[in-house]
Amino acid sequence: LAKTTQPISMDSYEGQEVNITCSHNNIATNDYITWYQQFPSQGPRFIIQGYKTKVTNEVASLFIPADRKSSTLSLPRVSLSDTAVYYCLVGDKSARQLTFGSGTQLTVLP
Amino acid sequence: EAQVTQNPRYLITVTGKKLTVTCSQNMNHEYMSWYRQDPGLGLRQIYYSMNVEVTDKGDVPEGYKVSRKEKRNFPLILESPSPNQTSLYFCASSLSLPSDPRDTQYFGPGTRLTVL
Repeated sequence: LAKTTQPISMDSYEGQEVNITCSHNNIATNDYITWYQQFPSQGPRFIIQGYKTKVTNEVASLFIPADRKSSTLSLPRVSLSDTAVYYCLVGDKSARQLTFGSGTQLTVLP
Repeated sequence: EAQVTQNPRYLITVTGKKLTVTCSQNMNHEYMSWYRQDPGLGLRQIYYSMNVEVTDKGDVPEGYKVSRKEKRNFPLILESPSPNQTSLYFCASSLSLPSDPRDTQYFGPGTRLTVL
């Protein structure tokens, strides 16, 4: 399983766009990139998943460069309720396990 | 409403007293798994199940047992709990494999276990 590296923490202000970058230098050809969000004392929640280029849904965008060695989760116009830990995961679609890294603690300030 | 439920949500017990944490999903999911979350260590997978009667070890299976007799239920059993099993436990389920791009993994609300 490819190892991921993310910043431990980030601060932002309400209304700003937040970009969290994840490094996965050893990503394999068949690996997908998935981001989860976790609020305190709650289970993680799926945000977005992608393989290459750009993926957008109602919550976030995921940017993946051509070499796929990193990815960036973009949260548009964050609010206080977006304060959470964000996890970047990399895995083959046939993988039987999810491996969570340390995640990034995002704190949105008023 | 599609959901994963866990019971109990909070439990305080003593060393050696067998306990079971139940997990149930109403989405007809084939894949289910258990994680524990500890400060500084993140989420670590304990066991997972691909389908009824099919279970396998995750990264930290020692001290735990699971069973999958029915598709919807995946209980976590601690035969002889010890203080180092004090943790926040999450059950999760998905229709297929957890990284399958056609699917999403759903997590339960968590069970906070304290072993004295």
